[in-house]
Amino acid sequence: QVQLQESGPGLVKPSETLSLTCTVSSNSISSTYYWGWIRQPPGRGLEWIGSMYHSGTTFYNPSLKSRVTISVDTSKNQFSLKLYSVTAADTATYYCARGNANDYYFDFWGQGTLVTVSS
Amino acid sequence: QSALTQPPSASGSPGQSVTISCTGTSSDVGGYNFVSWYQHHPGKAPKVMIYEVSKRPSGVPDRFSGSKSGNTASLTVSGLQAEDEADYYCSSYAGSNNFVFGTGTKVTVL
Repeated sequence: QVQLQESGPGLVKPSETLSLTCTVSSNSISSTYYWGWIRQPPGRGLEWIGSMYHSGTTFYNPSLKSRVTISVDTSKNQFSLKLYSVTAADTATYYCARGNANDYYFDFWGQGTLVTVSS
Repeated sequence: QSALTQPPSASGSPGQSVTISCTGTSSDVGGYNFVSWYQHHPGKAPKVMIYEVSKRPSGVPDRFSGSKSGNTASLTVSGLQAEDEADYYCSSYAGSNNFVFGTGTKVTVL
């Protein structure tokens, strides 16, 4: 069973960079899947942030593209999210997930981590 | 890309059926047969219940079914059970390796 676990600071100051890591177990991150980040602001719905394919190609939500980077560390079987110049609107629970490349859906998710943007 | 539109809430008594709609555009729901549905119990990892409009992953009860007509997809939960009470989100492929999620529906089992 594939497992994903998010980790990172729970509090980030405005204008700084939000950095999260997702550790993947029981599945090589180099396998033919894609790896994504999704977030949920308090009281609101899910929002796709971006995805990285096993080839290293990345795709980002157009509304966040200028502030987001997703990268992978194959030696640690991890992938990471960086969101730059954060504001209070970026306060959310952040989820990492594995995507099924043939059918375009996320089949395994982490439990999520709450990140609050506040001074 | 705008969020897909779902009703904020839906409810039914145990044993009844509830149907949730998910309305998008021809650029997402209407343009691709890649609609998925996720069940989310707060504090837990979301779980995929339907993919490719109507396919069920292994282990998902056949009480859950999906369909699509034009720009609107639907999830039906038949024979409602207490454990079905959760938030449900639809998602659609939106082209160019982009995804869009729905606004979410809270299902209450009365």
